[in-house]
Amino acid sequence: KNEVEQSPQNLTAQEGEFITINCSYSVGISALHWLQQHPGGGIVSLFMLSSGKKKHGRLIATINIQEKHSSLHITASHPRDSAVYICAAPEVGGSQGNLIFGKGTKLSVKP
Amino acid sequence: DSGVTQTPKHLITATGQRVTLRCSPRSGDLSVYWYQQSLDQGLQFLIQYYNGEERAKGNILERFSAQQFPDLHSELNLSSLELGDSALYFCASSGGTSGGPTDTQYFGPGTRLTVL
Repeated sequence: KNEVEQSPQNLTAQEGEFITINCSYSVGISALHWLQQHPGGGIVSLFMLSSGKKKHGRLIATINIQEKHSSLHITASHPRDSAVYICAAPEVGGSQGNLIFGKGTKLSVKP
Repeated sequence: DSGVTQTPKHLITATGQRVTLRCSPRSGDLSVYWYQQSLDQGLQFLIQYYNGEERAKGNILERFSAQQFPDLHSELNLSSLELGDSALYFCASSGGTSGGPTDTQYFGPGTRLTVL
């Protein structure tokens, strides 16, 4: 079974700062997911990564398959980026879509 | 708006009772997933259905059951409720042809269940 670890658990930043959230997993995977959970509880899928790097606006996600590590970067952070960021990896051994989740990184961006 | 709908939004009930949570996936999505999010456990996978068939099972209690209907909507039934079942229950859907780990999942707004 895959194990997913995230760091840091909590992160406070000033508006405009560059932010990095890390995710590591224990067993090789075909894809890694980054999710954003808003303060109201809603969950949005940000990225699904199989290799390399993806960019969407100010968000960049990278993955290193050999090192079993992924990072989520936020450039020019803004208070509206305040949310919980969760990485998730597939449970190994099947072709199913069920995911194992990290405990999340709670990000607070101050104006 | 993800296109996934869940009802009800909030549910308050008593221990020992039974409730049904409903999920309508995005139009055309064949896979539906159910997740539980409690304060101490984080997000946990419960069960996946793909085109009406059970595809994968996670840490779903025997008191819980689910099904996916021919119109692809899904229901999660929770019975003999305990205080510890209080949580946010999310469903998600995906449109990939395999219902596999590389499909992007679209989450519904969740149902907040409170068991008193």
